[in-house]
Amino acid sequence: DAGITQSPRHKVTETGTPVTLRCHQTENHRYMYWYRQDPGHGLRLIHYSYGVKDTDKGEVSDGYSVSRSKTEDFLLTLESATSSQTSVYFCAISPGTGFGYTFGSGTRLTIV
Amino acid sequence: DAKTTQPPSMDCAEGRAANLPCNHSTISGNEYVYWYRQIHSQGPQYIIHGLKNNETNEMASLIITEDRKSSTLILPHATLRDTAVYYCTFQASGTYKYIFGTGTRLKVLA
Repeated sequence: DAGITQSPRHKVTETGTPVTLRCHQTENHRYMYWYRQDPGHGLRLIHYSYGVKDTDKGEVSDGYSVSRSKTEDFLLTLESATSSQTSVYFCAISPGTGFGYTFGSGTRLTIV
Repeated sequence: DAKTTQPPSMDCAEGRAANLPCNHSTISGNEYVYWYRQIHSQGPQYIIHGLKNNETNEMASLIITEDRKSSTLILPHATLRDTAVYYCTFQASGTYKYIFGTGTRLKVLA
């Protein structure tokens, strides 16, 4: 979607390795979110950010960390990837309450 | 806890209205209800949101009950391209979190 890009789009990595996914926005929105999507579970919130250096946990935060050192970038790190973290990861941005999210195109991550 | 409840699947004939319900009984008085849809494995797409009054845009209409515990998304003339998973969500009180459920898989039939 315009204004938000995720990288990489696809990644295959081995169990135990660290992995970092990047979400980049050009909308200057305050709020950024990371979700994962798995069959039968819908979208589940991992972490979110409500400003530079301000982050909080979501529903399924174990095994994940995030960082936001500038408004436009929100990084999701899997410190030691496990097969249970194989999923499609979506980033979303929002200017605030009363506005909808804009989602990125997703990153398909496979842990082997 | 913030939670939405939606039927897992629905069918609708092409050209007919699709009415997708959502229960959000834990919503607080000042939180909006948002609807999104996801086609295949694309990123979800925002459709509409509302607070108390019914809302309409070029994509859909949103009907919110007076007690705000449930809402219905209406696609007035469904087309095959409306086949998707539809999610309703709202902001968990006192946080910036939006919790999505598993959504409703709408299939529009020719």
